[in-house]
Amino acid sequence: EAGVAQSPRYKIIEKRQSVAFWCNPISGHATLYWYQQILGQGPKLLIQFQNNGVVDDSQLPKDRFSAERLKGVDSTLKIQPAKLEDSAVYLCASSPGQMRETQYFGPGTRLLVL
Amino acid sequence: GENVEQHPSTLSVQEGDSAVIKCTYSDSASNYFPWYKQELGKRPQLIIDIRSNVGEKKDQRIAVTLNKTAKHFSLHITETQPEDSAVYFCAASGAGSYQLTFGKGTKLSVIP
Repeated sequence: EAGVAQSPRYKIIEKRQSVAFWCNPISGHATLYWYQQILGQGPKLLIQFQNNGVVDDSQLPKDRFSAERLKGVDSTLKIQPAKLEDSAVYLCASSPGQMRETQYFGPGTRLLVL
Repeated sequence: GENVEQHPSTLSVQEGDSAVIKCTYSDSASNYFPWYKQELGKRPQLIIDIRSNVGEKKDQRIAVTLNKTAKHFSLHITETQPEDSAVYFCAASGAGSYQLTFGKGTKLSVIP
């Protein structure tokens, strides 16, 4: 079974620029998560989708971050404009849903904001 | 919301010794507790998990124990090997939410 795919793997941008990350979850997984992992810390949930609907985005900085999962499969996470403190690894994870909560992570996108 | 504390932040053991990492959680409704291993520059990988209706679970050299009353759970690795060196994260998930709150991680170094 193919794992969670993410792209790009690395991105360097200047502050105030915009950036987008893409995630393709494991086939058939209904639930998709975006996490932010700052160096030396555990992943922090940004947003959770169930199919194409948002379950929880309470920790998403909505003034600059947005995410969508239009067809209930792939998802994109966007930052506009980026700040220095957004430098982190952005991890996507998916789980089957329906009471099966094990989350499988993608390789992440490492973002550096200069 | 849920808060997960993890200790120690770093741990060095000699090859063949045991390693124990401890976590506490704040939400008594949490019912799912996974442990992830993350090697440098790689994705977190699930190594073992436990649900609140079970007190202990083992998988070869790895075991997890859960004390619901005290709201803490621990990871035990026996007969450590150099390839066990990584950062280990505990996490907790509340009933029905499937959202994980992670601890800050423990960097385990196994010295040959």
